[in-house]
Amino acid sequence: EIQLQESGPGLVKPSQSLSLTCSVTGYTITSGYDWSWIRKFPGNKMEWMGYISYSGSTNYNPSLKSRISITRDTSKNQFFLQLNSVTTEDTATYYCARSWVYYGFWFAYWGQGTLVTVSS
Amino acid sequence: DIQMTQSPTSLAASVGESVTITCLASEDIYGSLVWYQQKPGKSPQLLIYGATILEDGIPSRFSGSGSDTQYSLKINSLQPEDFASYYCQNGLSTPYTFGAGTKLELK
Repeated sequence: EIQLQESGPGLVKPSQSLSLTCSVTGYTITSGYDWSWIRKFPGNKMEWMGYISYSGSTNYNPSLKSRISITRDTSKNQFFLQLNSVTTEDTATYYCARSWVYYGFWFAYWGQGTLVTVSS
Repeated sequence: DIQMTQSPTSLAASVGESVTITCLASEDIYGSLVWYQQKPGKSPQLLIYGATILEDGIPSRFSGSGSDTQYSLKINSLQPEDFASYYCQNGLSTPYTFGAGTKLELK
């Protein structure tokens, strides 16, 4: 069974970079699908941030394009989120998820989420 | 970006009742509409994709309908475990956008 697990610092200072890891078990990230990051803000708004495909190509939300990078380590079956120059508005619960395109693009498997607070 | 307007924001109902949640897209998304359920402290769970296709393992009391810009999620005969938040998502084009959510509460 596929499982995704987010990890990383729970507190980041403003202007610094947020870095998170998604560790995947039960499926090899180079075998197929797209691997996304999604966040949920304290007011419950949800935002798709971007994905890295099984082939290594990326697609980012234009609202984040200048600040976001999604990379991977295939030897560890992990993919990563880096968000630069964070502000308090980046405080959110961050989820990694496996995406699929079939009658639309959707997220079938999610990590449990990790809360990141941006505060000095 | 495609805007997803979900209504109502909150809804109170009793066990056994039926409820409907609606989602309006700012442009035609050609049936590429997704519904999720989320419970407090948990990650979202996929319910329906392609507007009408029930994900494996989801009870048949959940159903989706709609086309073009207007979509609905109906839950028949509410069970205690159905009281949660529900989100729609544009699955047509990037950026993949979500509705603001509907909180279904026990009356």
